[in-house]
Amino acid sequence: GIQVEQSPPDLILQEGANSTLRCNFSDSVNNLQWFHQNPWGQLINLFYIPSGTKQNGRLSATTVATERYSLLYISSSQTTDSGVYFCAVMGFGGGTSYGKLTFGQGTILTVHP
Amino acid sequence: DAGVIQSPRHEVTEMGQEVTLRCKPISGHNSLFWYRQTMMRGLELLIYFNNNVPIDDSGMPEDRFSAKMPNASFSTLKIQPSEPRDSAVYFCASNGDRGSYNEQFFGPGTRLTVL
Repeated sequence: GIQVEQSPPDLILQEGANSTLRCNFSDSVNNLQWFHQNPWGQLINLFYIPSGTKQNGRLSATTVATERYSLLYISSSQTTDSGVYFCAVMGFGGGTSYGKLTFGQGTILTVHP
Repeated sequence: DAGVIQSPRHEVTEMGQEVTLRCKPISGHNSLFWYRQTMMRGLELLIYFNNNVPIDDSGMPEDRFSAKMPNASFSTLKIQPSEPRDSAVYFCASNGDRGSYNEQFFGPGTRLTVL
């Protein structure tokens, strides 16, 4: 099946700093999503971005599908940005592979005041 | 929209007891997924349904786990009998199938502790 690798595994920032999280995947994708899991465990949708660039406030994401990677940018980080950031992809495979999201292991972000 | 609804939010039970987790997907979504999250294994897909039909249950750990989707607005995940190693957070998720757009949304999860 499709493989997803995220980097870095851990990231510690001072409030106000910028950061870039990376997601590499091993095959063509039909869907790519970025999630934020907050300290209460909720998985929050950040971006649905199988290709192209999107921005939402201080966050933006870019997926270069032909090169099989996606980047999540966080600018002017705040303590509330702390948590785990997951990248998840869905391949084009048919049969039972269709519709399944495969998650990376996540990047643990800690933002200090 | 109310989002994906799961109940209970927390469940503490003793080994050997039956546990039933419940999920209501977003109205209009035709795919439903059950995931389990642990520190050791991360997020794992257990089973998913499309139009109420189980499509892939290869992630279900063993026969003690079963899932049903009797209609488009309700699904259950049952563990019988439960064991301490089943302790985890169980998430339900759903998405619509609108051509190429298939963004998946997660419920708040059920934190299961088996003593």
